[in-house]
Amino acid sequence: GESVGLHLPTLSVQEGDNSIINCAYSNSASDYFIWYKQESGKGPQFIIDIRSNMDKRQGQRVTVLLNKTVKHLSLQIAATQPGDSAVYFCAEFMNTGFQKLVFGTGTRLLVSP
Amino acid sequence: DSGVTQTPKHLITATGQRVTLRCSPRSGDLSVYWYQQSLDQGLQFLIQYYNGEERAKGNILERFSAQQFPDLHSELNLSSLELGDSALYFCASSVGGLRNQPQHFGDGTRLSIL
Repeated sequence: GESVGLHLPTLSVQEGDNSIINCAYSNSASDYFIWYKQESGKGPQFIIDIRSNMDKRQGQRVTVLLNKTVKHLSLQIAATQPGDSAVYFCAEFMNTGFQKLVFGTGTRLLVSP
Repeated sequence: DSGVTQTPKHLITATGQRVTLRCSPRSGDLSVYWYQQSLDQGLQFLIQYYNGEERAKGNILERFSAQQFPDLHSELNLSSLELGDSALYFCASSVGGLRNQPQHFGDGTRLSIL
């Protein structure tokens, strides 16, 4: 994706490795979280979500972990593939009178063959 | 494919001009959201409409306005354009009306101000 670009944290992995992308969220009252994947020239693509009454949720090759004590989210991608190369954003739903989706700054994942 | 359609994909215009960005939400979605994505600000929420009515406002400038039509498509109008308005503008949609629903994004309109 072409979001924060130059100053984006980057995770470089080899194809087949497991990847872990971390995110710190800001509001302890946030109760719903989403991970998005953004490829170059595309919009954010929904990957997986989790509600605050859960601490783990699994999808196809992806797992999201939520630690409310330290306000931390992680996205684990199993057997990472070159097609997983993208920018990954965590987003939290903040309750500010209305529910507002607030995005983190993103992490760039680079997968080498 | 998210099912959210945005047009045009690219817009190039000059300072002081006005442009309109269009969004068609996923079938069945009543809520439409607009976001701005720039290099130094990341993804910023601008405004939300639900079933034709404005529901929430974020960091939207007074020079910007939006509306949602009876067929649920939405338009974002940007006027008196400045160089700093150059960015990607995304539309997202959700079913709406309930808490904690995922938003699904279109592929954006890239606006370049010369």
